Amino acid sequence: EAGVAQSPRYKIIEKRQSVAFWCNPISGHATLYWYQQILGQGPKLLIQFQNNGVVDDSQLPKDRFSAERLKGVDSTLKIQPAKLEDSAVYLCASSPGTGVGYTFGSGTRLTVV
Amino acid sequence: GDSVTQMEGPVTLSEEAFLTINCTYTATGYPSLFWYVQYPGEGLQLLLKATKADDKGSNKGFEATYRKETTSFHLEKGSVQVSDSAVYFCALRRQTGANNLFFGTGTRLTVIP
Repeated sequence: EAGVAQSPRYKIIEKRQSVAFWCNPISGHATLYWYQQILGQGPKLLIQFQNNGVVDDSQLPKDRFSAERLKGVDSTLKIQPAKLEDSAVYLCASSPGTGVGYTFGSGTRLTVV
Repeated sequence: GDSVTQMEGPVTLSEEAFLTINCTYTATGYPSLFWYVQYPGEGLQLLLKATKADDKGSNKGFEATYRKETTSFHLEKGSVQVSDSAVYFCALRRQTGANNLFFGTGTRLTVIP
């Protein structure tokens, strides 16, 4: 089975610019997660989707971050405008449903300069 | 709130040495506990898990036992190999409610020949 696909792998932008990340989960996986992993820290949940609805976005900085999952499949995460502290690896994960195993993508490494 | 405290690294061991990475957690009830591994340039992979007290998760020679009395889930391996060099993350998922993962900060393991 194909894994969770993410693109781009790397992105360098200047502060105040905007950026978007894309995630294609495993086919049939209803639940999709975006995590932020800052260097030296563990991943932290930004947002969780169940199909195309948001389950939890309590940790998403909504003044600058947005995410959508149209048609309950692919998802995009956007940052506008970016700040230096947004430099991190953005991980997408999917699972068949609640309480079952996750599969993580390889992540997108964002550097804000 | 829910949290995971993980032994700080980095850890450097010689090949065939014994490995222990400590992990303790704070959560209500009986969360599920996980160890994830992140090899250089790759995404997070599930290494092992335990879903109830006294369960032992094991995989690839690694083991961890869910200890409710000490709220711990320490990772062990009897004889490490160079190929085990990676970052190891302890994580929990709540027993009820949201099923996202709470991660520790990660421990970098380097095994030298």
